[in-house]
Parts: sequence; C-alpha cells; structure tokens
Amino acid sequence: DSGVTQTPKHLITATGQRVTLRCSPRSGDLSVYWYQQSLDQGLQFLIQYYNGEERAKGNILERFSAQQFPDLHSELNLSSLELGDSALYFCASSVVGAGQETQYFGPGTRLLVL
Amino acid sequence: DAKTTQPNSMESNEEEPVHLPCNHSTISGTDYIHWYRQLPSQGPEYVIHGLTSNVNNRMASLAIAEDRKSSTLILHRATLRDAAVYYCILRDRQQIIFGKGTRLHILP
Repeated sequence: DSGVTQTPKHLITATGQRVTLRCSPRSGDLSVYWYQQSLDQGLQFLIQYYNGEERAKGNILERFSAQQFPDLHSELNLSSLELGDSALYFCASSVVGAGQETQYFGPGTRLLVL
Repeated sequence: DAKTTQPNSMESNEEEPVHLPCNHSTISGTDYIHWYRQLPSQGPEYVIHGLTSNVNNRMASLAIAEDRKSSTLILHRATLRDAAVYYCILRDRQQIIFGKGTRLHILP
C-alpha cells in the first residue's frame, strides 16, 4: 500500500459525458502527478501540481483539467469524453516534487467510455 | 528526454537471480537511472535508482556500467510475486517518462 488513494476504482460512462477522478496523496506529500495508461500509448504523464499550483504539463488534452485543493487532494476532470479516453488513470505523489524524488503511485481509476 | 532500450520480455525460473538489462547510450551527466515496476492490476512501484555507483536495497541491486551507457537491475532470488513490467527510466526532472518496459515472467 503506497498511501496514495484514488476514487472511484472503476467508472463507466458514455461518450460526451464529463467525469471527475479524485486522488489523495500520501500524508505530508505536497506534489501530485497524474498519468494515463492506455493499451496503445503506455504510461503517459499528464500534469503535476505542487502545493496547489500547476508545476508541469505533459500530454494533457485541452478537454482535461486538474486542480489541487488546499487540503492537497487533487481532482482530474475529463470532459467531452471519447472512446479513446478509456484507460487507467494513475495519481502519484512525492514530498516536494523535486527532480529525483521517488513517486508513490495510487491503485488507479479504470475509466471505460462506451 | 534521453531514451532507454529494454527487451520486450524475459523469463526466469523461480528462486533464481534475474538480470534485467537497460541501454541508455544518450544518457547525460545529470540523468539518474531509476527503475520502477508495475505488478498486474497495480500502479507502478519504485524499485531503485542510482547515478554512477552500484546500489543495493531490500528489493534489488542496480549495476551501472562505468560509462553509464547501460545498467542492469538484479533481482537476487526471483519469486512469483516479482512477475511484472519493469521500467528503466532516465530522470533529470520531476515527471517520469515511461518507456515500454520489460515484461518479466517467472516460471515456477
């Protein structure tokens, strides 16, 4: 158990809909990362937050957005969903988000868009 | 980002050592070599990392070539629970760029 929690575990929705994925980092960790894992693309970095502020952006679509709240939990919002958005979404956390820090990954949310 | 090359898959017998190779010929001086693994139906898990010297921890050992252009993750005594995808990653920044990794099969 990494200490990172993600809800929900599974999500089934329809194309065009909007969903919110939630992540609670390990106690004391200030930085949160979001990753997408699909069969054809592998694990892709989406976005990083540190203490409520966006710090780095990866391959995140404009239809996707994220935020980190004062209690340090983070939410990833996916809108206008397409079939291709079906994937596993992982959240990870680290203490301060410095370059070489170990990231601790949550168990993921499996999203299925029908 | 500097790229790593790993075999797509490897097999090993249970209770034997496993050597997982990784080539990173374009590594820069500031890149650390990290290994993560992903067990079936789980998120990635940190295994070990190093810069120049060989490293040991409770999970594995990391052997780094003198020119740093390759490294080897060593599992000293593989168990069935070590069956996973192992990712060799070069990091000089916060975000992790994952490659395809090596799928390790452990034979009982």
